Amino acid sequence: NAGVTQTPKFQVLKTGQSMTLQCAQDMNHNSMYWYRQDPGMGLRLIYYSASEGTTDKGEVPNGYNVSRLNKREFSLRLESAAPSQTSVYFCASSEWTGAYNEQFFGPGTRLTVL
Amino acid sequence: RKEVEQDPGPFNVPEGATVAFNCTYSNSASQSFFWYRQDCRKEPKLLMSVYSSGNEDGRFTAQLNRASQYISLLIRDSKLSDSATYLCVATDTGRRALTFGSGTRLQVQP
Repeated sequence: NAGVTQTPKFQVLKTGQSMTLQCAQDMNHNSMYWYRQDPGMGLRLIYYSASEGTTDKGEVPNGYNVSRLNKREFSLRLESAAPSQTSVYFCASSEWTGAYNEQFFGPGTRLTVL
Repeated sequence: RKEVEQDPGPFNVPEGATVAFNCTYSNSASQSFFWYRQDCRKEPKLLMSVYSSGNEDGRFTAQLNRASQYISLLIRDSKLSDSATYLCVATDTGRRALTFGSGTRLQVQP
């Protein structure tokens, strides 16, 4: 099994450009998450999807939109990229059963906005 | 104030040493706690959960003090392969997501 996959691995954008980060999981998990990681800041939650058909804002949602396309896929869109969005983006998934279950992370997308 | 705070380190220790990391959390409603390990330029991976009674997994021991809102990780007999960043994590049950500390970097030297 591939686990959680993310594309692309690296991306350079100019300010104002848009792009979509793709994430897919093959573990049949019902919950999926997008985090960003900046130096010295730890990982911060951008958006999450508790189950197919639902999405909710996390700690830092401004400038992003998400789509839970189906149970496997959860995409993150930057409509108008800004230098402040330069970061490493991690997608994660877990099976939510009312108690915590381990979150599995993808390898990350390294985004630079010039 | 960050919800989960850690000493960023780095902690530079020789092989075989015992090293301890501490972490404090501010949200008294946090219910579950974990240590994740992150290698350089890689994704975080679960190292171990932290239980109120304390728990051990080989060379690793985790402890939780709810009264002081404090979590610890002890690594005994450090190996070169233990070199990584250790992330202290609390759950936010409302968001079903994780709140991460900024991490403590460990470098084990030969």
